[in-house]
This record gives sequence, C-alpha cells and structure tokens, in this order.
Amino acid sequence: AQSVAQPEDQVNVAEGNPLTVKCTYSVSGNPYLFWYVQYPNRGLQFLLKYITGDNLVKGSYGFEAEFNKSQTSFHLKKPSALVSDSALYFCALGRGSTLGRLYFGRGTQLTVWP
Amino acid sequence: IAGITQAPTSQILAAGRRMTLRCTQDMRHNAMYWYRQDLGLGLRLIHYSNTAGTTGKGEVPDGYSVSRANTDDFPLTLASAVPSQTSVYFCASSDSPASTDTQYFGPGTRLTVL
Repeated sequence: AQSVAQPEDQVNVAEGNPLTVKCTYSVSGNPYLFWYVQYPNRGLQFLLKYITGDNLVKGSYGFEAEFNKSQTSFHLKKPSALVSDSALYFCALGRGSTLGRLYFGRGTQLTVWP
Repeated sequence: IAGITQAPTSQILAAGRRMTLRCTQDMRHNAMYWYRQDLGLGLRLIHYSNTAGTTGKGEVPDGYSVSRANTDDFPLTLASAVPSQTSVYFCASSDSPASTDTQYFGPGTRLTVL
C-alpha cells in the first residue's frame, strides 16, 4: 500500500524565520512526490516535484524540498518565511504503476505571523 | 489562457436531486481527474480519465459518474445527491496520465447537500 503523512496539522512561524513543512511517505517502488499550496477559497497550485535525480528540488516562490530516501521524507522548506506564505500545503505521492493517481496527505496549515 | 474552469462556483442542493458539476480545460491535456476535499482528509480521487473516451474509478467513486466525450470536458454527475456528498470538488488535468506529470487544478465547486 502507499500513503502520505503530514504529521503536523498546523505550523506557525515568524516572518523572516525559516520554515519547514513535513511530509513522509510509504510506497513500494520509486516515489514521485509533489507539493501543492492552497490559498483560501482557491484551487491547488503546484509548487514543485521530485521525480528522479538531485535530492534537492527548487520550486516556485522560493520554496524547496529535499527528498530523503532513507527517511522516506520529502520536507518542504523556505529560508525566510513571508506572511503571504500563509496557506494550506499538501504533499502528494504518485507511483509508476498507478497511472496519474496522486495520494494526498491531509494538509498542513502554515501561518506566518508578522 | 484560462486553464481549468469549473461551474458552478457553489451550489446548495436538496438530497435526492441530480446534479452535474462541469469542468473544462483549454490546455489540450489528455488526462483529467475529479477529487473531493474534506476537512482532515485531504483530497481523494473520485474518477479519472486517461484520454478522451475512457474513464476509470478512483478511491471514492460510489454515487458519482463521469463521461469524457471530448478532450476538453469532464463533467461529474451525482445521480441522487446525499448529505455525505457535501464537499469541495476539484477538477484537475495533466498532459499525460503518467504519474510523473504535474496535475493542474481548477478553482473548485463547493457543494452542500441538505
């Protein structure tokens, strides 16, 4: 079976501080990992993905994520948080044998306070 | 370029009524998907279509049906709505059904079944 876990429902960080939103996964075979962001009353926006190659993936709005195979993790990071980063973040897992199907975590609400 | 449009934006529906949620994309993507988003559960796949003329069941297909008569449109029908179908529904598309392809999401339809 495959699954994605986002162990924190809520992350709070001060503006200017680094932020981390955690994601772990479970899958047999190679994982394809995605991060999406959802602003209030909006659809999901793609941030970045890991398919293969370099473990550090850079994405939109200054976000990056590090794929760690030994820890089965794909944490989202940003060196300096902005108030405008406050949103709901989803980690998602794809698997080669399940065409197009993404398995989503429950989401982590990020709040950046000024 | 509009990307993905969904209609209606929101709807209140009496239980037992039939409802069709519309989804149109202008990116000429081959694959399309319907997800529902429920608090604390993340997004769950309802139905998908790898290419025009084909459809498949996702994780939570019961009570829903889809059709894919052409590349651009992927309507979702609730034949007889029940209160447990109260949710936010997102349509998504990707260039191909490969698990490595990024899915792009529409703005969502908020459905309330009373």
